[in-house]
Amino acid sequence: ETGVTQSPTHLIKTRGQQVTLRCSSQSGHNTVSWYQQALGQGPQFIFQYYREEENGRGNFPPRFSGLQFPNYSSELNVNALELDDSALYLCASSPGTDQETQYFGPGTRLLVL
Amino acid sequence: ELKVEQNPLFLSMQEGKNYTIYCNYSTTSDRLYWYRQDPGKSLESLFVLLSNGAVKQEGRLMASLDTKARLSTLHITAAVHDLSATYFCAGNYGGSQGNLIFGKGTKLSVKP
Repeated sequence: ETGVTQSPTHLIKTRGQQVTLRCSSQSGHNTVSWYQQALGQGPQFIFQYYREEENGRGNFPPRFSGLQFPNYSSELNVNALELDDSALYLCASSPGTDQETQYFGPGTRLLVL
Repeated sequence: ELKVEQNPLFLSMQEGKNYTIYCNYSTTSDRLYWYRQDPGKSLESLFVLLSNGAVKQEGRLMASLDTKARLSTLHITAAVHDLSATYFCAGNYGGSQGNLIFGKGTKLSVKP
C-alpha cells in the first residue's frame, strides 16, 4: 500500500506566474485536503475534495483552485503568484470526510521570487 | 470559528525529564488530533482523541482530551533525543467535512 505522494518536491517561481502542484492519495482514500504551511507556522486549510467535488474551503482567495480526478488524485493550482505564497504545500488524504485521520504527503516547497 | 492555541511554543528539556504540552481550543471540536513534524518533513499522525476523557498512549507519549474544558494535553515521559520535533494539535472545522484547524505548534528540543 503506497502512501500519499506529491510532486514536485521543490519549485521556484516568480511573482505573477501560475503553478500546479500534484497529489496522489493513499490507496482506498477518496478524500483529499490541501494545506499551506508558512515557515514556523501550523498548516492552514485551503480546501478539500471528495469524489471530484469541492467539499469545503478555507480562507483563501479564488486564485487558489483545485481539481480531483476519478482516481482521486488531485491538483492545486495557484494563479498570479505572490511572494506570500512561498510555503510548504501539504496534501492529505483520508478514507472519507467524516473527521477521519488525514494522512499527509511529503509536501511541495514553493518559493516565489 | 474554531481557534486552537498551543503552549508552550518552544520547549527545551533534558533527557529523562517529564513535561506536558497544552492545547486549548475555542469552540466545540468533536475530535482532537496530534501530529508530529520533523524539520523539513511532513506531518505524522500520532493520536486521534474521539471523546471526552479519552486517553491514548504510544511509547513515551500520552495524549488526553477534556471536551468540557476544551483542553487536550500531550504528556512526555522520560524524554529522549529522538522525540525532538514540532508537535501540532488540531481540531475539526466544518462538522463532517473533516477540515483541520492547527495550532502553531510546539517545538520540542530534548538535550542530553
